[in-house]
Amino acid sequence: AQRVTQPEKLLSVFKGAPVELKCNYSYSGSPELFWYVQYSRQRLQLLLRHISRESIKGFTADLNKGETSFHLKKPFAQEEDSAMYYCALGSSGTYKYIFGTGTRLKVLA
Amino acid sequence: ETGVTQSPTHLIKTRGQQVTLRCSSQSGHNTVSWYQQALGQGPQFIFQYYREEENGRGNFPPRFSGLQFPNYSSELNVNALELDDSALYLCASSLAGSLSDTIYFGEGSWLTVV
Repeated sequence: AQRVTQPEKLLSVFKGAPVELKCNYSYSGSPELFWYVQYSRQRLQLLLRHISRESIKGFTADLNKGETSFHLKKPFAQEEDSAMYYCALGSSGTYKYIFGTGTRLKVLA
Repeated sequence: ETGVTQSPTHLIKTRGQQVTLRCSSQSGHNTVSWYQQALGQGPQFIFQYYREEENGRGNFPPRFSGLQFPNYSSELNVNALELDDSALYLCASSLAGSLSDTIYFGEGSWLTVV
């Protein structure tokens, strides 16, 4: 079964500390993984996708097929990173996304 | 260029009633997807429309139905509402429905069933 697991509902870190938001997936084919972010009072928006191998707002995520993980990392958290983060798995052939339950990141001053 | 807009933003319905939610896709986008997001959960895929045809469906019963119009706007209809249908309903549009396309979400319609 296709599934995305985000084990942490809430992650609190101090400003300047490293951040790692965990995401594990279950998928039998070749996965396409994404991270979406929702800032307070804003709509859900794409943060980054694994296929681009890009860094957005200092965040990176590496697809580890052996561990079936796609953890989101940032070396130095900023207060403006506080938001809800969703990991999503793209299901090719049906064009649908399977979302995890999300992790709320709180960056403390 | 306008973003994805949804209406209404909030509504309350009684169990057994029917509801229609509306979505205007981003300019130039021909694909619309609908998601249900229950409290504390991630969005769950309901279905997708591409050029007015249903192009994929999630694990939702037939009382969840949709339409896409020639201008690519879309409706989500839910019949025989149940209490568990209470959720945020998100519409998302993209250029062509491929996973390589960025999808853009609307702000959602909050549905409460009492």
